[in-house]
Amino acid sequence: QSVLTQPPSVSGAPGQRVTISCTGSSSNIGANYDVHWYQQLPGTAPKLLIYANNNRPSGVPDRFSGSKSGTSASLAITGLQAEDEADYYCQSYDSSLSGYVFGTGTKVTVL
Amino acid sequence: EVQVVESGGGLVQPGRSLRLSCTGSGFTFGDHTMSWFRQAPGKGLEWVGFLRSKAYGGTTAYAASVKGRFTISRDDSESIAYLQMNSLKTEDTAVYYCSRDRVVAISNSGMDVWGQGTTVTVSS
Repeated sequence: QSVLTQPPSVSGAPGQRVTISCTGSSSNIGANYDVHWYQQLPGTAPKLLIYANNNRPSGVPDRFSGSKSGTSASLAITGLQAEDEADYYCQSYDSSLSGYVFGTGTKVTVL
Repeated sequence: EVQVVESGGGLVQPGRSLRLSCTGSGFTFGDHTMSWFRQAPGKGLEWVGFLRSKAYGGTTAYAASVKGRFTISRDDSESIAYLQMNSLKTEDTAVYYCSRDRVVAISNSGMDVWGQGTTVTVSS
């Protein structure tokens, strides 16, 4: 019962740009809580990709960028590479639930 | 190296209890909010609960699906966080991950350190 909605899948050819949306509500993203993005490669633990809406941890390529507006957020991957094939999740805080919430997850496929 | 390592998973019968541990190293464990997450087979990530640092009040919060059955505690002197799971149900079967909030004494700052996960299987 994820509170944040993401498209189940997106795909693109190597070198292309893809975006993943994350739609929330007035009790989470719309309440100005920060949004974070995680990448999960098959069989591994999630990895923090973007924090506080649009910041990249050290070591994350600048091909990854985040944005937030209103009750939604987005993750963009430019110059898509084969190693970007993974599941991606957005995450925020929800004041109604008094806890963290995740997106439904998006599988990125590199054609 | 900054890391957390989960342990304690296994096979348990419905209705029984299990305690997971999360041992941190390479950072001041007591300064961070520590969270537990889980991922059922083939499913997405689910937040289980968190325990804020003492500097942030040491308060806890839990997902509705586990509230009243699961309890998070911590021993900062040993750099360990625990997840006590009681009255387990088959739907609690998942890989359980421990992680820390990135910023000292702040919640929802992004989880930047994750363990490898420990598998809990609830089955008769």
